[in-house]
Amino acid sequence: QKEVEQDPGPLSVPEGAIVSLNCTYSNSAFQYFMWYRQYSRKGPELLMYTYSSGNKEDGRFTAQVDKSSKYISLFIRDSQPSDSATYLCACRDSGGYQKVTFGTGTKLQVIP
Amino acid sequence: DSGVTQTPKHLITATGQRVTLRCSPRSGDLSVYWYQQSLDQGLQFLIQYYNGEERAKGNILERFSAQQFPDLHSELNLSSLELGDSALYFCASGEGHNNEQFFGPGTRLTVL
Repeated sequence: QKEVEQDPGPLSVPEGAIVSLNCTYSNSAFQYFMWYRQYSRKGPELLMYTYSSGNKEDGRFTAQVDKSSKYISLFIRDSQPSDSATYLCACRDSGGYQKVTFGTGTKLQVIP
Repeated sequence: DSGVTQTPKHLITATGQRVTLRCSPRSGDLSVYWYQQSLDQGLQFLIQYYNGEERAKGNILERFSAQQFPDLHSELNLSSLELGDSALYFCASGEGHNNEQFFGPGTRLTVL
């Protein structure tokens, strides 16, 4: 079983829809949670970063972490065709130099 | 543009051969991370260097090795290549004390 599980999709939504992307994890030591966006054939770019449980908002993006259920989410409001990409969740424990564990990514397509 | 550069962009080689991938981190970043991304395994952490020293190791094969030089650029050496080593190899850099990792554009390795 992978430490971080993510539905690979693809997920297709109409432009303007609210998108919900989710991950589950199994390692209770994870304290830091991140979402990366990866366009086709490009390197991942960091979208959101949260520590422990709670919500964080940045423009149209909201990240949620529920440590009690080991569940992390990314919401995208007013989705745009330019949001079409693969979204990777990532987790890390509190150690100073510990590795980041990525989910396999969910492919999102926003249809105009 | 993340500021991380990787060369070459594409590499085609034969089984049994050895290749070297190169990464230059963002200016000021002391940490370099190497990842392998394949279709079935997602983004897999290989190894991290911080200011020239190995800091964390992931699922890196014994046939693979890396180093970080005094000017902070890093090289990933892959030897005795197998068909299954065909993948995208990403380098990321960061300050080393937080979770922000900035990814390069990747090197696409094809082993024939």
